[in-house]
Amino acid sequence: EDKVVQSPLSLVVHEGDTVTLNCSYEVTNFRSLLWYKQEKKAPTFLFMLTSSGIEKKSGRLSSILDKKELFSILNITATQTGDSAIYLCAVRYPINTGTASKLTFGTGTRLQVTL
Amino acid sequence: DTEVTQTPKHLVMGMTNKKSLKCEQHMGHRAMYWYKQKAKKPPELMFVYSYEKLSINESVPSRFSPECPNSSLLNLHLHALQPEDSALYLCASSPDRGLNTEAFFGQGTRLTVV
Repeated sequence: EDKVVQSPLSLVVHEGDTVTLNCSYEVTNFRSLLWYKQEKKAPTFLFMLTSSGIEKKSGRLSSILDKKELFSILNITATQTGDSAIYLCAVRYPINTGTASKLTFGTGTRLQVTL
Repeated sequence: DTEVTQTPKHLVMGMTNKKSLKCEQHMGHRAMYWYKQKAKKPPELMFVYSYEKLSINESVPSRFSPECPNSSLLNLHLHALQPEDSALYLCASSPDRGLNTEAFFGQGTRLTVV
């Protein structure tokens, strides 16, 4: 059965700390892995990863994919209270030839950054 | 512009009501999705439309009926819902069949069934 697992489930850190969030997956015909940040409502797109070993970076956030070991990490350096949110990873894969792909989410990591 | 617009933002409906959720995007995306998210859970896929055709139905009960009138619009018609259907309903879109493309989400409709 296809699955996407994130760890830790929740995390509390102090402002300024660096955090690493993990996402592992087991899916057939993997195509891409996406990271999202969810605060109150809509998940906000952060990164899409398709190739192993190529780091994607945006400000204090970065992410990398390992397609051999089937996982991705999301790093946040110098955390701020505004980084408090649920971080979701999602894996995209086709179901059948000619159909649209599925985007299946992991359980999420709830990050709380305190002063 | 990466905006997906959902209406209404909040909806309270009785178990005998019929209502519809709407989703709109003007990014030229050809794949659109409905997700259901319960509190403290990740979004769960309900339906996928690709080029206005229903491509994936994740065994969703028939009281949820999707419709894609054109490439910019996606509706979810609701009828005879149960209280356990109360959740955040999220719409998303991506450029094409979307194997290596981003997916963008709307703000969601928070549905309460009473």
